[in-house]
Amino acid sequence: DSGVTQTPKHLITATGQRVTLRCSPRSGDLSVYWYQQSLDQGLQFLIQYYNGEERAKGNILERFSAQQFPDLHSELNLSSLELGDSALYFCASSEWGQNYGYTFGSGTRLTVV
Amino acid sequence: AQTVTQSQPEMSVQEAETVTLSCTYDTSENNYYLFWYKQPPSRQMILVIRQEAYKQQNATENRFSVNFQKAAKSFSLKISDSQLGDTAMYFCAFMKHVHNAGNMLTFGGGTRLMVKP
Repeated sequence: DSGVTQTPKHLITATGQRVTLRCSPRSGDLSVYWYQQSLDQGLQFLIQYYNGEERAKGNILERFSAQQFPDLHSELNLSSLELGDSALYFCASSEWGQNYGYTFGSGTRLTVV
Repeated sequence: AQTVTQSQPEMSVQEAETVTLSCTYDTSENNYYLFWYKQPPSRQMILVIRQEAYKQQNATENRFSVNFQKAAKSFSLKISDSQLGDTAMYFCAFMKHVHNAGNMLTFGGGTRLMVKP
């Protein structure tokens, strides 16, 4: 157990639907990052939050949004889902400013049918 | 923007032998960090090794070591005495050293390593 908890582990939904992925960071970590990994591809950075505020944004679609709550858990909302959104979505956390790499959760596998 | 390139999509090695995975990166930064992550079939992302760009000494972690060539922007991973459990996707990643900002990781496309018995 890495200490970063992602739920659900698997999600199957239809095109056009909306889903919410949840992440609880490791205890003490204030930064949360979301990454998308399409089949057998590298990880693409989506967005980062620090202590409730958005800090960096990557290649995140307008149909996607995220937030970090006062208890530091984060949610990634994906709407108007398309087949191409099927992927593994990772959450990771770190202490602010530390450069030791992230701690990753086990991911949520989203399948859009 | 930084880019990370892993030119070997797939590699294989016999158990107990040594294998080297290649990674090159492009950046105008002078201060940064480099990482190798392992992703076994379970899909969990596991940090293997980390290198600070301002350190000339190559990082080592047990059977894993790196060859960091800053001028050439090269960061290869050597796995010695390969074990079946080393079978995984390996990702090279880059992180800028930035104060008071998000420390985003930029990943390469990965190298799939198969260790054969």
